[in-house]
Amino acid sequence: AQKVTQAQTEISVVEKEDVTLDCVYETRDTTYYLFWYKQPPSGELVFLIRRNSFDEQNEISGRYSWNFQKSTSSFNFTITASQVVDSAVYFCALRNNAGNMLTFGGGTRLMVKP
Amino acid sequence: NAGVTQTPKFQVLKTGQSMTLQCAQDMNHEYMSWYRQDPGMGLRLIHYSVGAGITDQGEVPNGYNVSRSTTEDFPLRLLSAAPSQTSVYFCASSLGLQGGGYEQYFGPGTRLTVT
Repeated sequence: AQKVTQAQTEISVVEKEDVTLDCVYETRDTTYYLFWYKQPPSGELVFLIRRNSFDEQNEISGRYSWNFQKSTSSFNFTITASQVVDSAVYFCALRNNAGNMLTFGGGTRLMVKP
Repeated sequence: NAGVTQTPKFQVLKTGQSMTLQCAQDMNHEYMSWYRQDPGMGLRLIHYSVGAGITDQGEVPNGYNVSRSTTEDFPLRLLSAAPSQTSVYFCASSLGLQGGGYEQYFGPGTRLTVT
């Protein structure tokens, strides 16, 4: 069975601070797919990024960056210069090679204070 | 495109009642799924479908039934509601399984309370 762990249940930062959300996963598949989703207070789930297991290149998108390290089974998410609008619950998820199972971590609630 | 739609948005049931949560997508996606979200547990897969006429169980299928008669619709049925089924339910869809890594598009959710 596959598993995703987000050890940080809640993080509070002051605006403009950088913050890293941790994600550790377990899987027996050699090919798999990792995702991050954002759930703002309004409740919808917003897709942020997908990473294939065979592509370890880190990615940056504006203030967001992702660090994928296969050796430590981690896929961490960093927000640079956080803003109040970043306040949300962030979920890391793992999709198996067959594509039929998406497993979520428990989520990290990020609170950015002005 | 409306994307993934769910009805109702809110529902209160009494223990033992049955109901169907509706889900529809207009993106011609093969894969559809249902999740429940409980505090601190993320989202857990209930049932999924890889195409019309094909469904399978996820992580927490007990107490729920599904069917997929068309590509667009994937209803979730609660046969006899229990307080443990109080949760927020999300429907999602994505392109088919080939390649495995397509992101899922989520509906707005249905908040269900069972008293």
